[in-house]
Amino acid sequence: DAGVIQSPRHEVTEMGQEVTLRCKPISGHDYLFWYRQTMMRGLELLIYFNNNVPIDDSGMPEDRFSAKMPNASFSTLKIQPSEPRDSAVYFCASSFRKNYNEQFFGPGTRLTVL
Amino acid sequence: AQSVTQLGSHVSVSEGALVLLRCNYSSSVPPYLFWYVQYPNQGLQLLLKYTSAATLVKGINGFEAEFKKSETSFHLTKPSAHMSDAAEYFCAVTARNRDDKIIFGKGTRLHILP
Repeated sequence: DAGVIQSPRHEVTEMGQEVTLRCKPISGHDYLFWYRQTMMRGLELLIYFNNNVPIDDSGMPEDRFSAKMPNASFSTLKIQPSEPRDSAVYFCASSFRKNYNEQFFGPGTRLTVL
Repeated sequence: AQSVTQLGSHVSVSEGALVLLRCNYSSSVPPYLFWYVQYPNQGLQLLLKYTSAATLVKGINGFEAEFKKSETSFHLTKPSAHMSDAAEYFCAVTARNRDDKIIFGKGTRLHILP
């Protein structure tokens, strides 16, 4: 397996634009997580899915953020409209059962909002 | 609720010296504990995990950690540092046998001096 795949790897956009980040989890994994990493706040869990269903989105910072998982092999994280404070590295991770089972992280998308 | 505290956001050791990265946890229920490593421009990967079996846990790349309930600690060690160990290390905790999130510490960046 190629591991967790994220695209794009880098995204530079202007304030107010819509941004869509994409993730393909490892085949067979039933949990998918979206994280955000910044110097100030560290690694934050935004939302996670189990069997394509959102379970906990309490980490989503505000209504400008939305995430979907239309099938077991694809998820998106959308920011609309984007703001400079959204600049961060966004990671997708997947696991087979959560908690004590290992989460496999993708390489991340570095987002810069000008 | 669970939390982790990593002592020292930056640690420097000489090549060949002992590596010690400190992690203290807080948990109202028996925990599972993890150490993850993040190399530059990559996602996190699991180094080792404690899941209630042996209190001394061995991981990849010669790292190990010891669960000490009395001290609520899970420090990471390696007898002899290598240049390739330079990375950021994250301690994480979750509740055992409960449907709960993994909580990550803020990370410790390890620098290896030649």
